Amino acid sequence: GDSVTQMEGPVTLSEEAFLTINCTYTATGYPSLFWYVQYPGEGLQLLLKATKADDKGSNKGFEATYRKETTSFHLEKGSVQVSDSAVYFCALSRSTGGGNKLTFGTGTQLKVEL
Amino acid sequence: GAVVSQHPSWVICKSGTSVKIECRSLDFQATTMFWYRQFPKQSLMLMATSNEGSKATYEQGVEKDKFLINHASLTLSTLTVTSAHPEDSSFYICSARPPAAHNEQFFGPGTRLTVL
Repeated sequence: GDSVTQMEGPVTLSEEAFLTINCTYTATGYPSLFWYVQYPGEGLQLLLKATKADDKGSNKGFEATYRKETTSFHLEKGSVQVSDSAVYFCALSRSTGGGNKLTFGTGTQLKVEL
Repeated sequence: GAVVSQHPSWVICKSGTSVKIECRSLDFQATTMFWYRQFPKQSLMLMATSNEGSKATYEQGVEKDKFLINHASLTLSTLTVTSAHPEDSSFYICSARPPAAHNEQFFGPGTRLTVL
């Protein structure tokens, strides 16, 4: 079945450091890929997405490229801020007979310190 | 963007009672809504898919008689946890998908349920 694997956290960085959160997936066909962010005490918010191979999703300085050859969708940001502290979830969606369901990774907690 | 609300945001109840959680799409009609459960420091587990006007489709291992889902209108789905027990304590999150968004879901802020 479909699965998403994320690097374990927590990831602790200093402000302005470079961020990479690895995400790889297993799925048949051509899934859409997503990164969601969950701030403390809140629900998930879509951060960015990519729907086909080589697409780059970007938002708020974050970006991720859909790499079909390596089945990866790594999240990157050049300079993190304290306000980026949150849990980040990688997810995929694939059309099935039952509709488009999201399969989530386990989440990676990011802590950014001054 | 599309906004999804949940009510209540947190609830504490006694063991054996039932609790209803509402999920509303505020600025769009959602033919499909999803209910997830999130354990501390873990990922979201899909519990069921709710389609307006029809019975919900439950994921394997989820008790449909315990977690009652009703999707009576295009903007409202409810999850009722019946005869709640402490092991049902969790963070419940709903999402909604507009008809034109084939693979995107918009999430509510979640409901924290604590069963004493």
